[in-house]
Amino acid sequence: DAKTTQPTSMDCAEGRAANLPCNHSTISGNEYVYWYRQIHSQGPQYIIHGLKNNETNEMASLIITEDRKSSTLILPHATLRDTAVYYCIVRVASPLGGATNKLIFGTGTLLAVQP
Amino acid sequence: ETGVTQSPTHLIKTRGQQVTLRCSSQSGHNTVSWYQQALGQGPQFIFQYYREEENGRGNFPPRFSGLQFPNYSSELNVNALELDDSALYLCASSIDRGNEQFFGPGTRLTVL
Repeated sequence: DAKTTQPTSMDCAEGRAANLPCNHSTISGNEYVYWYRQIHSQGPQYIIHGLKNNETNEMASLIITEDRKSSTLILPHATLRDTAVYYCIVRVASPLGGATNKLIFGTGTLLAVQP
Repeated sequence: ETGVTQSPTHLIKTRGQQVTLRCSSQSGHNTVSWYQQALGQGPQFIFQYYREEENGRGNFPPRFSGLQFPNYSSELNVNALELDDSALYLCASSIDRGNEQFFGPGTRLTVL
């Protein structure tokens, strides 16, 4: 089962910041928070990941709370092309002993960017 | 740099038939993972191949099998197709097992 909880859907106005929350209250110390998104009928696209510090790249920013039990993905200026399902996933970055490092997807948040 | 590619794009089969789906990993990636995504659901992990060996399997029956080749491309084989096998099949590659996975566009399989 997925170890994260996300709202089913959210709306955002084009040009505004989209803030997508994720709860991961059972996250372990060695687990990272990953975000992927999936535009309709395409393969998921990696966005960003982090351990405990806030992270930023050309696509988004990731804010992780100090207790690491929740995080927020921020798309600073949402466009219509950002309409997608966004998945928050917790995952060990470096598996020990040859363990499988699979991604466990939940149902994600459908972000609808409105014109 | 070429990304992850999958073939075919779409496929229609009938119940009981067998199917082979193909995946070419991104250049430099030695790990391939396969996922099944039913309509309206998140992707579900099928199995992972690392340097040509199976490296973990999800909750899928043995009629789902795979291969990874020396060039790290991979195949997913499904025998005795069932109606519930209709789904989008996704392949993802990564540099070793611990790094972020990059997905292909998927193969849409319809079983009639």
